[in-house]
Amino acid sequence: SQTIHQWPATLVQPVGSPLSLECTVEGTSNPNLYWYRQAAGRGLQLLFYSVGIGQISSEVPQNLSASRPQDRQFILSSKKLLLSDSGFYLCAWKSGGGAYTEAFFGQGTRLTVV
Amino acid sequence: SQKIEQNSEALNIQEGKTATLTCNYTNYSPAYLQWYRQDPGRGPVFLLLIRENEKEKRKERLKVTFDTTLKQSLFHITASQPADSATYLCALSGSARQLTFGSGTQLTVLP
Repeated sequence: SQTIHQWPATLVQPVGSPLSLECTVEGTSNPNLYWYRQAAGRGLQLLFYSVGIGQISSEVPQNLSASRPQDRQFILSSKKLLLSDSGFYLCAWKSGGGAYTEAFFGQGTRLTVV
Repeated sequence: SQKIEQNSEALNIQEGKTATLTCNYTNYSPAYLQWYRQDPGRGPVFLLLIRENEKEKRKERLKVTFDTTLKQSLFHITASQPADSATYLCALSGSARQLTFGSGTQLTVLP
């Protein structure tokens, strides 16, 4: 069966420090991968999605970046965090290709920038 | 611009009643619509998917309708239970790779 792993679960980082969040998927190949951010009490804001290795689409301009070095690995990074980067970050995957299917989410990373 | 609205941020109902949540969208032609459940501090979990050519979908106590003329989906939970308390999110897709979420409705089922 397919599983998605996201870590760490919680993170407290000072302003100006770098960030690296990692997400890996098991049990499927060539998935579509997504990074979302959720502010407290709000919906999910799509940050990045990827349909293949090295292919990244950015939905919101900001100081974050994403990379997909392997088929089932998706990384969210920042060189210098801002206070406004605080939030709940969620990685998700969907079947690739033209299938209309549901998304499966990781458990999320609660990031607090102080 | 494209917009997805879930009609209320919070909804309280009595146990045993039917909860009805609304999702409206504008400037969008979704191929399909999905509903998810999210518990505090957790990632959303998929519940139901309905395609643009389907009017209604059911799964156990859940029912979803999709009206592309009204640009609206209704999500019903019948015989609601306190364990149904959670935030419910609708999500729309114009293509297979795209998935855009509404802000969610927090449902509380009172015993």
